[in-house]
Amino acid sequence: EAQVTQNPRYLITVTGKKLTVTCSQNMNHEYMSWYRQDPGLGLRQIYYSMNVEVTDKGDVPEGYKVSRKEKRNFPLILESPSPNQTSLYFCASSFTDSNQPQHFGDGTRLSIL
Amino acid sequence: AQSVTQLGSHVSVSEGALVLLRCNYSSSVPPYLFWYVQYPNQGLQLLLKYTSAATLVKGINGFEAEFKKSETSFHLTKPSAHMSDAAEYFCAVAGGTSYGKLTFGQGTILTVHP
Repeated sequence: EAQVTQNPRYLITVTGKKLTVTCSQNMNHEYMSWYRQDPGLGLRQIYYSMNVEVTDKGDVPEGYKVSRKEKRNFPLILESPSPNQTSLYFCASSFTDSNQPQHFGDGTRLSIL
Repeated sequence: AQSVTQLGSHVSVSEGALVLLRCNYSSSVPPYLFWYVQYPNQGLQLLLKYTSAATLVKGINGFEAEFKKSETSFHLTKPSAHMSDAAEYFCAVAGGTSYGKLTFGQGTILTVHP
């Protein structure tokens, strides 16, 4: 089954404790992206990757890191999480053409205390 | 730069009534437009997309949307609402130099009353 898998689905942690949210896709997509969803703001892009070893900032990259060492994986790293990063996070993937729809994971709800 | 505005953060309809969710976009290049639906505790699922072919696009679950360039709109409709349509709906635009990037609207929560 074609899917984007995120882990964990839920996480409560404390300020400053490094965490990683994993994302994996099995569709051989070149393009992968991370979004955060906040009420009334829709989804905002954090980082994206056009292919292996190619990443770039989205609209709200502060406080986040990413890496793309393998085509299927695109982890999101919060080196020193803060309460304003409490949010619902989605990973998505697609082929690189802009007319291709993105496939989304089920989301990761992070709470930073 | 691209942007999307969804008019109405909440829309409420009765079961069997017409559903109309409004989306206006701004783009300096011919856009690709998408509607996604998000059910509670789930990710986003593609409803339909416009990619410069037919201006009336049919999607899943009986939804359709019409691209109107003169009005820069891409409104989502369904003739008869079902209880199962209750969800949050997002309009998004892509294309041009923002290669592969989706810009989302703020979302519209659809409530369906019995």
